[in-house]
Amino acid sequence: DSGVTQTPKHLITATGQRVTLRCSPRSGDLSVYWYQQSLDQGLQFLIQYYNGEERAKGNILERFSAQQFPDLHSELNLSSLELGDSALYFCASSGDSYIQYFGAGTRLSVL
Amino acid sequence: ELKVEQNPLFLSMQEGKNYTIYCNYSTTSDRLYWYRQDPGKSLESLFVLLSNGAVKQEGRLMASLDTKARLSTLHITAAVHDLSATYFCAVRGGGADGLTFGKGTHLIIQP
Repeated sequence: DSGVTQTPKHLITATGQRVTLRCSPRSGDLSVYWYQQSLDQGLQFLIQYYNGEERAKGNILERFSAQQFPDLHSELNLSSLELGDSALYFCASSGDSYIQYFGAGTRLSVL
Repeated sequence: ELKVEQNPLFLSMQEGKNYTIYCNYSTTSDRLYWYRQDPGKSLESLFVLLSNGAVKQEGRLMASLDTKARLSTLHITAAVHDLSATYFCAVRGGGADGLTFGKGTHLIIQP
């Protein structure tokens, strides 16, 4: 167990809908990262937050947004969903050790 | 744009044999990571390599880093079935902490 908690584990929704994925980092970790894993794109970095502030952006679509709250948990919001958004979404957190610890992921299926 | 290439992408080997997975990256980076992923599971951190010439070992796995050649290797010694998994290398780049991943090496170790 990495100590990073993601909910829900599975999400099934329809095209055009909006969903929210939740992540609680390991105790004491200030950085939270979101990644997307799909068969065609592989593992892609989406966005990083550090202590409530956006730190870095990767290949995140404009339809996607994220935030990190004062208690350090983070949410990834995906809107106007398309079939191609079906993927495994991982949250990771890190502290001083440079290691990024990954959660179990949320599997999103857009039908 | 930072690119990370792994080879081979697929490897089938017998127990007891040795093999090496290679990871090349296109621009300078100060951190290289190796992760393991079992089917349908999360990513487990194996090694973080921070400097030129760094070598780390854990059990039958040994990772090394040559920053001048922009090359890391993951060496498997006397492979056992339990090491069957997909192995990813990832590089921190561009001043951000988000990781750029290779496509992964799908390793099958047969008795």
